[in-house]
Amino acid sequence: EVQLVESGGGLVQPGGSLRLSCAASGFTFSSYWMNWVRQAPGKGLEWVANIKQDGSQIYYVDSVKGRFTISRDNAKNSLYLQMNTLRVEETAVYYCATERGANSGHGQAFDIWGQGTMVTVSS
Amino acid sequence: DIQMTQSPSTLSASVGDRVTITCRASQSISSWLAWYQQKPGKAPKLLIYKASNLESGVPSRFSGSGSGTEFTLTISSLQPDDSATYYCQQYIGSLYTFGQGTKLEIK
Repeated sequence: EVQLVESGGGLVQPGGSLRLSCAASGFTFSSYWMNWVRQAPGKGLEWVANIKQDGSQIYYVDSVKGRFTISRDNAKNSLYLQMNTLRVEETAVYYCATERGANSGHGQAFDIWGQGTMVTVSS
Repeated sequence: DIQMTQSPSTLSASVGDRVTITCRASQSISSWLAWYQQKPGKAPKLLIYKASNLESGVPSRFSGSGSGTEFTLTISSLQPDDSATYYCQQYIGSLYTFGQGTKLEIK
């Protein structure tokens, strides 16, 4: 079964750090661009970051540049998001998602999503 | 950054109705547009990619059209299971953006 499972969410104080993980199974993880998308409670979807199959290209939404780091370990079929200097407004469910099409170039729709992990930034 | 604007923000329609949701981009995105359906507490589900291509397993009552800056998602005959929030997304260039969402309710 094709699956993405996020973990690592929780409660963190403003200014704190958290590392999210996304475990992939049922497909060739190393062949896909991977993304993080977040959704604040009751709000819409916001794309956060993505990473190329081999990790050689990485992009971030402006609001997280310099604070968040996306990475992947193809040997472990895992995607990560290191989040530093967290803000209250970054309280959200964080989803990982694949870009459609094995060995595709940058810029594809997101066809596989995890169930999400909740990050709460609060004192 | 490319801004995506959906209309309407909320929509109420009856079973069997034809429903259309519009998405406008702040600049041309060619056909690099996707539509997603999201139900409460669930992850989004891909419906349409590259503006008009139906994702495998998605009912044929869903269709997408448009190019450049204006796009539409159409549900030809609304079903009770279609109650959800729908998002468009552009994926041209380095940075991706979603529309603000359209909440579709069944009367």
